[in-house]
Amino acid sequence: EVQLVESGGGLVQPGRSLRLSCRASGFAFGDYAMSWVRQAPGKGLEWVGIIRSKTFGGTTEYAASVRDRFTISRDDSKSIAYLQVNSLKTEDTAVYYCTDNYSWGQGTLVTVSS
Amino acid sequence: DTQLTQSPSSLSASVGDRVTITCRTSQGISSYLNWYQQKPGKAPKLLIYAASNLQSGVPSRFSGSGSGTDFTLTISSLQPEDFATYYCHQSYRTPFTFGPGTKVDIK
Repeated sequence: EVQLVESGGGLVQPGRSLRLSCRASGFAFGDYAMSWVRQAPGKGLEWVGIIRSKTFGGTTEYAASVRDRFTISRDDSKSIAYLQVNSLKTEDTAVYYCTDNYSWGQGTLVTVSS
Repeated sequence: DTQLTQSPSSLSASVGDRVTITCRTSQGISSYLNWYQQKPGKAPKLLIYAASNLQSGVPSRFSGSGSGTDFTLTISSLQPEDFATYYCHQSYRTPFTFGPGTKVDIK
């Protein structure tokens, strides 16, 4: 069974950083691109970015709203994808999901507030 | 960026009704369109991938069609567990984008 489990969220002050993790199991993680998607309270889904598999260069792409502040990486030996979020703003408050476009994790809540 | 619009933004329907939701994209995306269902407090669930392919385990009352810029999600006979918000999502060109959602509630 495919399982994605996010962690690392929490309450953080504006300007600070967090690293979110997405631990995968039940599939060949290294063969898949992984995306991060976020959802602000009461709002719709917003695509954050993607990291492709090593077969496709392991390249990353981001939404314009986060491009200069967020970084996605992966450790295929551990089946984990990461989302490093820097210079957090109050508008980054959201549930952050990881997904391979088929399966989704349960999400981790990031609250940015002073 | 490829913009997605969904219509209607919300609808009220009864159990047994046929429901159709449309998704229109600002640029052609071939068939790189997925449909997701989301219930309150839960992660999205994939229903349809590549415009018309039913994800494993999803009831056959759900179907998808379309290509290019116009897509449709149809629920042939609405069931109580189908009351939720539905999102379309394009993965043809980055930045990937989601539609604003269609909320389906009980009439």
